[in-house]
Amino acid sequence: EDKVVQSPLSLVVHEGDTVTLNCSYEVTNFRSLLWYKQEKKAPTFLFMLTSSGIEKKSGRLSSILDKKELFSILNITATQTGDSAIYLCAVGGWKTSYDKVIFGPGTSLSVIP
Amino acid sequence: EAQVTQNPRYLITVTGKKLTVTCSQNMNHEYMSWYRQDPGLGLRQIYYSMNVEVTDKGDVPEGYKVSRKEKRNFPLILESPSPNQTSLYFCASSLDARGYGYTFGSGTRLTVV
Repeated sequence: EDKVVQSPLSLVVHEGDTVTLNCSYEVTNFRSLLWYKQEKKAPTFLFMLTSSGIEKKSGRLSSILDKKELFSILNITATQTGDSAIYLCAVGGWKTSYDKVIFGPGTSLSVIP
Repeated sequence: EAQVTQNPRYLITVTGKKLTVTCSQNMNHEYMSWYRQDPGLGLRQIYYSMNVEVTDKGDVPEGYKVSRKEKRNFPLILESPSPNQTSLYFCASSLDARGYGYTFGSGTRLTVV
């Protein structure tokens, strides 16, 4: 059965800390891994990763994929209170005749001043 | 402005009283999908639609119906709501089903008592 697992499920850090969020997966016919940030309402897209070992970077956020070991990490350096959110990992795969995206449970990050 | 509009944002209803949550997008997207989000379970797909008059079940379709008579609209219908359908619901649209292009609506928080 396809699944996406994230760890930790919840994390509290102080401003300025660096955090690493983990995502592991088992998905049929892997196509891509996606990271989303969800604040008080709808998720917003952060990264899409399709190739192993190539880091995607946006400001203080970066992510990398390991397709051999079936996992990805999302790093946030010098955290700020505005980084407080749920971070969702989603994995896209191909099933029979359609693409399917499976979401993990999310990691709830709280950054305290 | 490109957006997915969901209504209502909040809804409290009683068991068995039929309700409809509307979803409309203005991006001419072919793919639309409904998700529910529950603590610790992430986003789970209820139904999706690849185009007008083409819909299919996601992972948790029981108790829900959808229709796609026009490209822009994808309403979610609960014919006889039950308390286990209390959840946060998101509509999403995209050019295709691969996840990276998802635009999410603002969410509907439904409580069934």
